[in-house]
Parts: sequence; structure tokens; C-alpha cells
Amino acid sequence: GAGVSQTPSNKVTEKGKYVELRCDPISGHTALYWYRQSLGQGPEFLIYFQGTGAADDSGLPNDRFFAVRPEGSVSTLKIQRTERGDSAVYLCASLAGQGTNIQYFGAGTRLSVL
Amino acid sequence: QKEVEQDPGPLSVPEGAIVSLNCTYSNSAFQYFMWYRQYSRKGPELLMYTYSSGNKEDGRFTAQVDKSSKYISLFIRDSQPSDSATYLCAMSSVGEKLTFGTGTRLTIIP
Repeated sequence: GAGVSQTPSNKVTEKGKYVELRCDPISGHTALYWYRQSLGQGPEFLIYFQGTGAADDSGLPNDRFFAVRPEGSVSTLKIQRTERGDSAVYLCASLAGQGTNIQYFGAGTRLSVL
Repeated sequence: QKEVEQDPGPLSVPEGAIVSLNCTYSNSAFQYFMWYRQYSRKGPELLMYTYSSGNKEDGRFTAQVDKSSKYISLFIRDSQPSDSATYLCAMSSVGEKLTFGTGTRLTIIP
């Protein structure tokens, strides 16, 4: 595709529910990142995939958060037992290639936990 | 103390003015320095990218990196109302996650 695509663009859920957020990176980009942006803050790193494997998941806040990328392209961020504090914009970025660190971002999924 | 510090503003300037945005950082391993522009309810859009120290110019935008002082800047000349957005500095080591500043909200007044 032309850019990084994230779906849904908005997600409203109730406390305690399970949600899945999808990221479709730029075609051919092997590295994929998830970030979380709270209101008035810069994006904060969650997890990074190189191919199918999670190369760095040190930013995941707790074990309610999990992400997969089974075929090395589309990635899904999964949040169990959502809490109101999980409300934020979840951003996905894909990396142009080795030798640079240029990351291209999607428009994000705005998650609201009521 | 955060790894990257950025004045959140907000910053308001008249159209045509020169805008200066700045970030400081503490991690000497950072080698890649970026400025992203983010419009309301949109994802960050890469504006400028610099590797290591030095200056880079692209149209009305100039990015400067001073690794000795751990200080980066973005200058916008002849500012336009369409430049009104939040500007995020970001930096990283080789092949690593980006560490962002909090973002500076900029308004250009016509």
C-alpha cells in the first residue's frame, strides 16, 4: 500500500473487555514498531518486530498487552482486560530499511476505554 | 529526568516569522535525529532526518544537531498558517526504537 494503514481508526470499549488493533505496514518493510501516545505527550515505544519475531518488547506496560506478526507483514496489538488508563492513541510505524532509522507512521487507532 | 526534553509550548508567532524549536537529550548513544510534524488527530509525519552532527536544510526548514551539547534545533523560515501543528523531536541509536520529546504545539497567526 501507499502508507502504513491502521484499523480501526477509533475504538470505544468498556473496562474489562478485550481489544485488537491492526497494523498493515508499507509493503516490503521488514521492521515494525508499536508506540502509544497519551494526550499532550510524545509517542512512547511499546514493541518492535523484525520479521515475525519480537526483537524488543521492553515497552509493553504489563502482561495484558501482547502483539503478534505471524507472517512478517500485518501486526496485531492485543489488549486484555482493558483499563481506563489504556485510553490513548496507538501508533504503528514501519522502517524504511537497514542503514537508516526512518520510521513511517500510520494515523493511529484512538482507543477509549469507558 | 526524561531522556529527551522538549518545551511543550504552546508557541504562537505571526505569519512570516522565524520559528525556533529545540530539544535536549541525555543519551550520548543517540545518532539519528528526526523532527516529525503532527496535525490534530493524525499520525506523525517525518519532516527532517539527520544522522550525527551537522546541519540539514530542506526548503524553509533547517535542522541542526550539536552532539557535543546534546542539543537539536528545527528552524522554520517564513512561517505559514499551514505550519500550525505539533512538532515532535525524536532520536535513536542504530536500529533502535525512537525516543520522542513531548512535542511543541505551534500556532502561526495569519
